[in-house]
Amino acid sequence: QTVVTQEPSFSVSPGGAVTLTCGLASGSVSTSHYPSWYQQTPGQAPRTLIYTTNTRSSGVPDRFSGSILGNKAALTITGAQADDESDYYCVLYMGSGISVFGGGTKLTVL
Amino acid sequence: EVQLLESGGGLVQPGGSLRLSCAASGFTFSSYAMSWVRQAPGKGLEWVSSISSSGGSAYYSDSVKGRFTISRDNSKSTLYLQMNSLRAEDTALFFCAKDPISAAAKRGFDPWGLGTLVTVSS
Repeated sequence: QTVVTQEPSFSVSPGGAVTLTCGLASGSVSTSHYPSWYQQTPGQAPRTLIYTTNTRSSGVPDRFSGSILGNKAALTITGAQADDESDYYCVLYMGSGISVFGGGTKLTVL
Repeated sequence: EVQLLESGGGLVQPGGSLRLSCAASGFTFSSYAMSWVRQAPGKGLEWVSSISSSGGSAYYSDSVKGRFTISRDNSKSTLYLQMNSLRAEDTALFFCAKDPISAAAKRGFDPWGLGTLVTVSS
């Protein structure tokens, strides 16, 4: 069973930068996993931030960027704002039509 | 503007069945893979199933394989999820989502609908 790992929680200061990561319990993440990132606030549907590693979804500000860092996918947020306080999820494509979500990172801006 | 509108959720007894629908508009439905993702109360997101643009390929998570069937009607721009043998652990908000760029289901989910709630309880 594939396990996708994310930091359970993270905090960032207003105006600061933070990098959230998305890894595999066994193995390395590459562009072939087409990593994507989603932001979700309580009671709302997820909002797509990044797909295929580093493509921003329509309307997403360039404060959000995606990359591969070492053996993980990464989401970097710069100039953190209060309304960035959300849950962030990544998903990896594992082949044969199968996608697996990470457990999510709760980001606090304080 | 792309819009996805899920419907069909509700309260069902364990062992029962439901069919979810997702009406799509604002894009050429037949050109994109589609997926269902669910979220149990207070929990994270879980991929459930995906289907290719033509409907010729369907994929399922282990947790629903053999019980759920994904399908689509490209003439009606509608995605479906037939759910049988429902269990309490299937209780969740079910979202439909479009593949951002591809006919094959591999590049994530963009955008998402607002979801429809499925509650399995006696």
